Order: sequence, then structure tokens, then C-alpha cells
Amino acid sequence: GQNIDQPTEMTATEGAIVQINCTYQTSGFNGLFWYQQHAGEAPTFLSYNVLDGLEEKGRFSSFLSRSKGYSYLLLKELQMKDSASYLCAVRGNAGKSTFGDGTTLTVKP
Amino acid sequence: EAGVAQSPRYKIIEKRQSVAFWCNPISGHATLYWYQQILGQGPKLLIQFQNNGVVDDSQLPKDRFSAERLKGVDSTLKIQPAKLEDSAVYLCASSLAGQFSSPLHFGNGTRLTVT
Repeated sequence: GQNIDQPTEMTATEGAIVQINCTYQTSGFNGLFWYQQHAGEAPTFLSYNVLDGLEEKGRFSSFLSRSKGYSYLLLKELQMKDSASYLCAVRGNAGKSTFGDGTTLTVKP
Repeated sequence: EAGVAQSPRYKIIEKRQSVAFWCNPISGHATLYWYQQILGQGPKLLIQFQNNGVVDDSQLPKDRFSAERLKGVDSTLKIQPAKLEDSAVYLCASSLAGQFSSPLHFGNGTRLTVT
């Protein structure tokens, strides 16, 4: 089976940097995704990692260590609109995606 | 490209009633998923289709939930009879088949309230 852990809540200040961690235990691994979900809306894709290392995409970066079962999402130059839930999801066997419960990020002025 | 379409957007029913949700995935996406998202939790996979075949329905409560994707495009999810604990957002998503890097594209979901 799959087990995915993320912190429940985080708070950060506008303009700052925040790192959201995700640890996972899976029976099969075909990549790790990060999604952003604003309240009342559907999740939207942010990043994908399948090899170890850092993937950078504008203000957002995502890191993966397969040997440690660990990933993080790094958000730089935080903006108020970044207040949302951030979901870590692992793609396992047969393309099945299993989600963590999400980290609710609150950005304060 | 047009996104994933879902209807209805909201539904309120009494327990023991039945309800059905409809989903139309992105054109060309052979893989379709139904997820249940309870408030404060992440999406939980109910069923995954590839074309019109079921890939995974291990977490679908089959005594009350059913889903079909007859022509490999649109899909319907049905609950009969509904229970209070079925109150949740039901999300449909689609992705390209055979590409593990293909992200899930979600519809806006159906918010179900069972009273």
C-alpha cells in the first residue's frame, strides 16, 4: 500500500520562502506530484519528480530523494495568492495516484 | 483545450436516496479517475478506468457505489443508497494513458451533502 505524510498546516510571511515536506512509503513508485488546491476549487498540477534532485519552475521548486522516500516543495517570494492547500501525490503501480491529506499554507502580510 | 467537465456542481439529498454524477474527460485522455475528498483530507481514489476497463476499484464501496464508462469517454458514478458519511466533494480527473509523467487534470467537482 501507500502511506504519505505531510504537515497539516504552515504559516509564512509575504515575500518569504517556505518549504513543505512530504514523506512516503509505497509499494511501487513512478513519480511524485505536487498539486495546489485553493479552497472550494479543484487541485491543479504544480510539479513532477521521478529522478532524484531539484526541479525548478519559476517561484516553485520541488526536490526528490527516492532512497529516503522524501520530497519537498519550495515556494519563494511568497504572495498572498499562494495561500492554499498543497497536496503531495505518489504515482504507483498501474498509474494509480495516491494523495496525502495536504498542507494548508497561510500567507500573512 | 477544454477541461474536465462535471455535473452537477452541487447536490443535496436525504440519506437512503440515490444520486448520480457525470464526468466528461479531456479529449484524448484514456485514463479517468473518480476521487472522493472529505473536508480537510486529500482526495481518495474510488475507481480508475483505462478506456472502458476498470484498472483499480479496490477502495470503491461496492455495496452502494457503482461507476461505468461504457464508451471509454464519459463516466457516471452512482451512490445508492446514500449515507451521511458520503457527504464530500466527488472529483473526476483524467490523464494520458501509459505516461506516468502525465499529471491529473481535475474537474470542478460535485459537492454532495447528505442530510
